[in-house]
Amino acid sequence: ETGVTQSPTHLIKTRGQQVTLRCSSQSGHNTVSWYQQALGQGPQFIFQYYREEENGRGNFPPRFSGLQFPNYSSELNVNALELDDSALYLCASSLVVENTEAFFGQGTRLTVV
Amino acid sequence: DAKTTQPPSMDCAEGRAANLPCNHSTISGNEYVYWYRQIHSQGPQYIIHGLKNNETNEMASLIITEDRKSSTLILPHATLRDTAVYYCIVGVRNQFYFGTGTSLTVIP
Repeated sequence: ETGVTQSPTHLIKTRGQQVTLRCSSQSGHNTVSWYQQALGQGPQFIFQYYREEENGRGNFPPRFSGLQFPNYSSELNVNALELDDSALYLCASSLVVENTEAFFGQGTRLTVV
Repeated sequence: DAKTTQPPSMDCAEGRAANLPCNHSTISGNEYVYWYRQIHSQGPQYIIHGLKNNETNEMASLIITEDRKSSTLILPHATLRDTAVYYCIVGVRNQFYFGTGTSLTVIP
């Protein structure tokens, strides 16, 4: 167990809908990163939040957005869902934004139909 | 985009050392080398990371070449539970661009 929890574990949404995924970081960790993992692929970096500010973004469109709260928990929001958004969404937390180990949650499996 | 190249699959006999290679010829001076592994569809598990010196912890050893263009992860005594996809990642500030990794199968 890494102490990083994600909810829900599974989710089914319809194309065009909006979804919010949640991540509770390990105690004391102020940095949270989100990843999308399609079946058979490695995780792809979506964005990172550090002290409630976006601190880096991968090659994802603006309909992928996020928030980090004062307790360092985080949300990933995806608008106008597309079929290709079906994936495992992972969050990872780390103690600081610098080069340390990051701990991943077990992910949220999103299916868009 | 991923900046590493790994063999897609490897086998290792149980109890033997597993040596997983990784090429990262375009690594920048401030980028670290990280290794994570993922079992089935669980979240990736941290193994080890380093900048330019060799590193060892309770799980594995990381050997980085002097020019930093390649590295090797060593699992000293592989067990069946080490069967997983192993990702070599080059990055900074814990922002990771994963490749497709090496699928390691430990054979009894």
